[in-house]
Amino acid sequence: DAGVIQSPRHEVTEMGQEVTLRCKPISGHDYLFWYRQTMMRGLELLIYFNNNVPIDDSGMPEDRFSAKMPNASFSTLKIQPSEPRDSAVYFCASSGGLAGTAQETQYFGPGTRLLVL
Amino acid sequence: KNQVEQSPQSLIILEGKNCTLQCNYTVSPFSNLRWYKQDTGRGPVSLTIMTFSENTKSNGRYTATLDADTKQSSLHITASQLSDSASYICVVSPNTNAGKSTFGDGTTLTVKP
Repeated sequence: DAGVIQSPRHEVTEMGQEVTLRCKPISGHDYLFWYRQTMMRGLELLIYFNNNVPIDDSGMPEDRFSAKMPNASFSTLKIQPSEPRDSAVYFCASSGGLAGTAQETQYFGPGTRLLVL
Repeated sequence: KNQVEQSPQSLIILEGKNCTLQCNYTVSPFSNLRWYKQDTGRGPVSLTIMTFSENTKSNGRYTATLDADTKQSSLHITASQLSDSASYICVVSPNTNAGKSTFGDGTTLTVKP
């Protein structure tokens, strides 16, 4: 398996533009997570899905952020409109099981480095 | 409030030396604790995962310990290598919500030749 795949790897955009980040989880994994990482705040969970259904989006910073998972092999995180403070590395991760099981180990993608000017 | 505190914030050691990283947590109820290694510019990679009943777990030169009574964990790295230079993140999960793990801020380890 190629692992979790994210695209693009780097994104530079101007304030006010729409940004769409993409993720392909590991085949067979039921859980998909979106994280944001900054120097100031470390890793933050934004939202996670179970079987394509959003379970907890309490980490999504505001209405400008939205995430979808139309099928088991694809998810998007969209920011519209983007702002400079959204600059960060966005990680997607997937796992095959629930908390407390070995399958809960999350496998992270390489991340998308977003810079909003 | 669930918290995970890691120490030290950063650490520099010479190649071949051992080191120990600390993680204290207040997450409750506790399900499991994981240590991740994150190389610069890459995503975190899981090193170990321990549940309540496990005291120690090894992965090559990495050995994690867990004391669920004192809510402390440590990650011991033996015979360090230059490739061990990375950020090490402690993550604690409660047993009430699969996704709501609490992340530590990480310890940045630099191994020098």
